[in-house]
Amino acid sequence: DSGVTQTPKHLITATGQRVTLRCSPRSGDLSVYWYQQSLDQGLQFLIQYYNGEERAKGNILERFSAQQFPDLHSELNLSSLELGDSALYFCASSGTGANEKLFFGSGTQLSVL
Amino acid sequence: AQTVTQSQPEMSVQEAETVTLSCTYDTSESDYYLFWYKQPPSRQMILVIRQEAYKQQNATENRFSVNFQKAAKSFSLKISDSQLGDAAMYFCAYRSLQGGSEKLVFGKGTKLTVNP
Repeated sequence: DSGVTQTPKHLITATGQRVTLRCSPRSGDLSVYWYQQSLDQGLQFLIQYYNGEERAKGNILERFSAQQFPDLHSELNLSSLELGDSALYFCASSGTGANEKLFFGSGTQLSVL
Repeated sequence: AQTVTQSQPEMSVQEAETVTLSCTYDTSESDYYLFWYKQPPSRQMILVIRQEAYKQQNATENRFSVNFQKAAKSFSLKISDSQLGDAAMYFCAYRSLQGGSEKLVFGKGTKLTVNP
């Protein structure tokens, strides 16, 4: 168990809908990262938050947004969903500093039908 | 931007034998971290081993070791005495120490099959 909790584990929805993925980082970790894993794109970095503030942004679509709350949990919001958004979405957390390891949650499998 | 390349989409090894997975990367930075992650069928991302670029000594973790060639920008993973539980996708990853973000850049992965 990595200590990073993601809910839900599975999500099935229809095109055009909006969903929210939730992540609780390991106790004490201030950084939260979101990754998307798909067959064609592999593991892609989406966005990082550090102590409530956006720290880095990767290949995140404008239809996607995220935030980190004062209790450090994070949510990834996906809207106007398309078939191509079907993927495994990972959250990871780490402490402060580049020497800190990233710990991954077990992911949320999103299926857009 | 940094890139990570894993040239072997699939590899297989006999149980108890040794296998080496290849990884190359492209960067203009002199200091960074490199990682190997394992993703079994459960889909959990598990850290296998980590290498700091400023350290010349290759990292080892039990049956797992790396061959880090900084000048060649090569970072291969050797698995000794392979076990059935080693069967998984293996991802090589790069972590920059610049820009204030500790995000990882991943390769496309190598699927490892272990034959009994």
